[in-house]
Amino acid sequence: NAGVTQTPKFRILKIGQSMTLQCAQDMNHNYMYWYRQDPGMGLKLIYYSVGAGITDKGEVPNGYNVSRSTTEDFPLRLELAAPSQTSVYFCASSLSPGVDNSPLHFGNGTRLTVT
Amino acid sequence: GESVGLHLPTLSVQEGDNSIINCAYSNSASDYFIWYKQESGKGPQFIIDIRSNMDKRQGQRVTVLLNKTVKHLSLQIAATQPGDSAVYFCAGFKAAGNKLTFGGGTRVLVKP
Repeated sequence: NAGVTQTPKFRILKIGQSMTLQCAQDMNHNYMYWYRQDPGMGLKLIYYSVGAGITDKGEVPNGYNVSRSTTEDFPLRLELAAPSQTSVYFCASSLSPGVDNSPLHFGNGTRLTVT
Repeated sequence: GESVGLHLPTLSVQEGDNSIINCAYSNSASDYFIWYKQESGKGPQFIIDIRSNMDKRQGQRVTVLLNKTVKHLSLQIAATQPGDSAVYFCAGFKAAGNKLTFGGGTRVLVKP
């Protein structure tokens, strides 16, 4: 059981380049999330999805796009990378968030640097 | 707006002692409060949560206390071990809007 898998682990982008951060989970969770974590800070929600075909904006969605064509995958797209998007990105999934014994499961993150 | 924050950025603890990590929140709308542990290079790992209508919940070596009167949340770790060294985050979850809001984190350093 792999849980939540994120690829790549590290990436360096030049300003204006685009890329897709991949996230996959094999737990059949309906809920999936993308967070970013800046140094010494907590996590901020970028986008989330409550099921295949449904996505919603979180706290800091600008500069990002997502899609949820399957239950397993929730890719995050950066179209025009900017230095402000330098951060560690975490994907998470949950069966039903906030319910006992149903916590968010996080991947190990993608460290992105934009120069 | 709703926010969840922490009092102390770094906590040094002697191995074997108890640790107490504090967290304050400004909005009472959260349905749950959750504690996460994050080790270097890894994603946050769920430790324990507590419903907003509870005062206390115990797990294995951990206890979470919720004081709604002063909007304060704490995590107590008994007999702190070197493996407890990590950054700890509190988070509030609101079912309406399906949002989990994180605080800024406290680093716990366990001294041998």
